[in-house]
Amino acid sequence: EVQLVESGGGLVKPGGSLRLSCAASGFTFSSYSMNWVRQAPGKGLEWVSSISSSSSYIYYADSVKGRFTISRDNAKNSLYLQMNSLRAEDTAVYYCARVLGDPDAFDIWGQGTMVTVSS
Amino acid sequence: DIVMTQTPLSSPVTLGQPASISCRSSQSLVHSDGNTYLSWLQQRPGQPPRLLIYKISNRFSGVPDRFSGSGAGTDFTLKISRVEAEDVGVYYCMQATQLGYTFGQGTKLEIK
Repeated sequence: EVQLVESGGGLVKPGGSLRLSCAASGFTFSSYSMNWVRQAPGKGLEWVSSISSSSSYIYYADSVKGRFTISRDNAKNSLYLQMNSLRAEDTAVYYCARVLGDPDAFDIWGQGTMVTVSS
Repeated sequence: DIVMTQTPLSSPVTLGQPASISCRSSQSLVHSDGNTYLSWLQQRPGQPPRLLIYKISNRFSGVPDRFSGSGAGTDFTLKISRVEAEDVGVYYCMQATQLGYTFGQGTKLEIK
């Protein structure tokens, strides 16, 4: 079964750091670009970051540029998001999502991990 | 960034009746490769998003044929031919033509 499972969310103080992980299974992870998308409580979806299959191309939303770092380990079938200098407005459910093509739609989504930034 | 605008934001529908959601982009979604990377996602309550339609009109694996997509350039539509109870949720359009991928605000589909 094709699956993405996020972990690493939690409560963190403003200015703090957190590292999210996304474990992939059921498909050849190294062949796909991957993304992080977030959803603030009661709000819509916001794209956060993309990474190509070999990590050659990396992109960020302006709202997280300079604070977040996306990475992947194809040997471990894992995607990561290092989040530094966290702000209250970063509070959201964070989803990892696979890209159907390159570019194209996000075809497989994880269940999400909640990040709460609060003092 | 490309702005995606959906209408309506809320759509009360009678079971068995059709539903339609529109999505307009602030600029053309035709990619330099000739494709248009406009997709539709469904998010049921408490669930992650699920891909329904990609490249305007292609149904993703396992999606019922009562869902269809159409449009071109900057104007796109998702149609549900006969709404079922399991279709309740929020529907998003998304563009992947230009980096800085963007989503519509979401349309909440509810049963009358």
